Amino acid sequence: DAGVIQSPRHEVTEMGQEVTLRCKPISGHDYLFWYRQTMMRGLELLIYFNNNVPIDDSGMPEDRFSAKMPNASFSTLKIQPSEPRDSAVYFCASSEAGSKETQYFGPGTRLLVL
Amino acid sequence: GESVGLHLPTLSVQEGDNSIINCAYSNSASDYFIWYKQESGKGPQFIIDIRSNMDKRQGQRVTVLLNKTVKHLSLQIAATQPGDSAVYFCAENIYSSASKIIFGSGTRLSIRP
Repeated sequence: DAGVIQSPRHEVTEMGQEVTLRCKPISGHDYLFWYRQTMMRGLELLIYFNNNVPIDDSGMPEDRFSAKMPNASFSTLKIQPSEPRDSAVYFCASSEAGSKETQYFGPGTRLLVL
Repeated sequence: GESVGLHLPTLSVQEGDNSIINCAYSNSASDYFIWYKQESGKGPQFIIDIRSNMDKRQGQRVTVLLNKTVKHLSLQIAATQPGDSAVYFCAENIYSSASKIIFGSGTRLSIRP
């Protein structure tokens, strides 16, 4: 299995620009999670989906952040407009229904907003 | 409130010795705990888990101990190797929160040759 795939691996953008992060979960996994990791705040859950439906988005910082999962094999996290404080590593993770708490993480997208 | 914390932010261990990484949690409703390892530039990697109806679980070179009385979790790594250098996170799942798990702040493990 290829594991969770994220793209791009690195993104540098200017404040005000739109940023789209992409994730392909492990095939057959029913749950998909988006996390943000910073030195100050550690690893934070932003949102998670079950069978493509958003279940808990209480961790999404503000309206500038949005996430979609149009099908079982693809999800996006969009930031519009981006701000320097959004600079972080964004991880996508997936898990299967029979062991939903055991999450498998992707390699992350390192975002720098100038 | 929900919180998962770690006693030590860094731990330095001689290669070949055993490592013990500790974690405290505050929510008595937590019923599932997981240890993750994160190497530099990579995503967290699942190591081992334990449910609240157990007090010990062993894997390959790793053992997790759970003490519900004092809300304490530990990860023991036997015969620590250079490849064990990483940040280790404990995480807890509260059943009422469905699939949501809360990560601690992490402990960095460094190995002395």
